Amino acid sequence: EPEVTQTPSHQVTQMGQEVILRCVPISNHLYFYWYRQILGQKVEFLVSFYNNEISEKSEIFDDQFSVERPDGSNFTLKIRSTKLEDSAMYFCASSEAPDRAYGYTFGSGTRLTVV
Amino acid sequence: GNSVTQMEGPVTLSEEAFLTINCTYTATGYPSLFWYVQYPGEGLQLLLKATKADDKGSNKGFEATYRKETTSFHLEKGSVQVSDSAVYFCAQNRGKLIFGQGTELSVKP
Repeated sequence: EPEVTQTPSHQVTQMGQEVILRCVPISNHLYFYWYRQILGQKVEFLVSFYNNEISEKSEIFDDQFSVERPDGSNFTLKIRSTKLEDSAMYFCASSEAPDRAYGYTFGSGTRLTVV
Repeated sequence: GNSVTQMEGPVTLSEEAFLTINCTYTATGYPSLFWYVQYPGEGLQLLLKATKADDKGSNKGFEATYRKETTSFHLEKGSVQVSDSAVYFCAQNRGKLIFGQGTELSVKP
């Protein structure tokens, strides 16, 4: 069964450093998403991406965040200057279509720890 | 606004017990509804879904019925197993998935 692959599985970084989280969505999917889950809290939407541009972003997704699809397969989330409160599990997801009937396929996540 | 509310966890059951995890939603219009499961150390996996009122989603012995009149999508299973221990998330799709807070289920032998 096709998978969404995320790397690394765990990243530790110092406050103020830049991090890039990587994702390889399912090959025939066109819609891509990033979500995050702070420990013990709900899964929160960050951003959706289609046709090489952001479709929607949440209040969380401020100027410190950016997304990119640098080639035909990768989808990345960059945090320019990490803060302690950015520590969370970050999930990438992809979907064939944004139609409400479709579910998303999620990756296993990257646990980001900012120290 | 649009939101999803789940019952508080953790829920602890003995093997073969009946499971109900409550989920209610607020939304304008009629979203599609989903249950996702997160096993320890893994990502979110789609468990089941329903796209319109009175639809019943089912998978792996789990069921949930889309109830428009009560704005609910409760997850049920007649006989749980130890392997069902996980965190369960209810979600609605409004062009993006909106999740509830998750309910941890622990099944003891």
